[in-house]
Amino acid sequence: QMQLQQSGPGLVKPSETLSLTCTVSGGSISGNYWSWIRQPPGKGLEWIGYIYYSGSTNYNPSLKSRVTFSVDMSNNQLSLRLKSVTAADTAVYYCARWQQWAPHDGFDVWGQGTVVTVSS
Amino acid sequence: DIQMTQSPSSLSASLGDRVTISCRASQSISSYLNWYRQKPGKAPELLIYGAYTLQSEVPSRFRGSGSGTGFTLTISSLQPEDFATYYCQQTYSNPRTFGQGTKVEIK
Repeated sequence: QMQLQQSGPGLVKPSETLSLTCTVSGGSISGNYWSWIRQPPGKGLEWIGYIYYSGSTNYNPSLKSRVTFSVDMSNNQLSLRLKSVTAADTAVYYCARWQQWAPHDGFDVWGQGTVVTVSS
Repeated sequence: DIQMTQSPSSLSASLGDRVTISCRASQSISSYLNWYRQKPGKAPELLIYGAYTLQSEVPSRFRGSGSGTGFTLTISSLQPEDFATYYCQQTYSNPRTFGQGTKVEIK
């Protein structure tokens, strides 16, 4: 059974870069799409974007200028980098597999979530 | 972006009750609609995709319906694990967007 284990700092200073890692076990990054999703405290879900195992990406326009996804096939890891963070970026960040059942799709396997607070 | 609006924002119900949650899209999305359940402090779980297809191992008490701009999630008999927040999500276009959530609480 595929599992996603997230890691990364829980506290980031304003204007700095948020970096998170998602390690895939029980399955392979290869052949799959992967997404990052965040949830501000007490609020709903926001899709940040996706990355295909080949490295192609699609970002939410609201974050496109500040976000970068990457894939490390050798370590079965995904990474998220969000630069120039502000308090508005405080949220629980999730990685998820974006499964395709053409023509439909959905996020069917999720990481445990990482609470990230932006504060000095 | 496609806006997703859920109603109600919250509801109170008892064990065994039948519950209905609505989701409306700002434009037609055909049947490109998913439902998720999020228990407190946990990641969301996919319940239904394609408006009405149950994800693997999801109990049959969950049913999705609708197409175009109006959708419904029905839980036929509430179980203890169903007291949670539910989100709809459109998969018609990028950026993928979610509804604001419906919290189901114990009466």
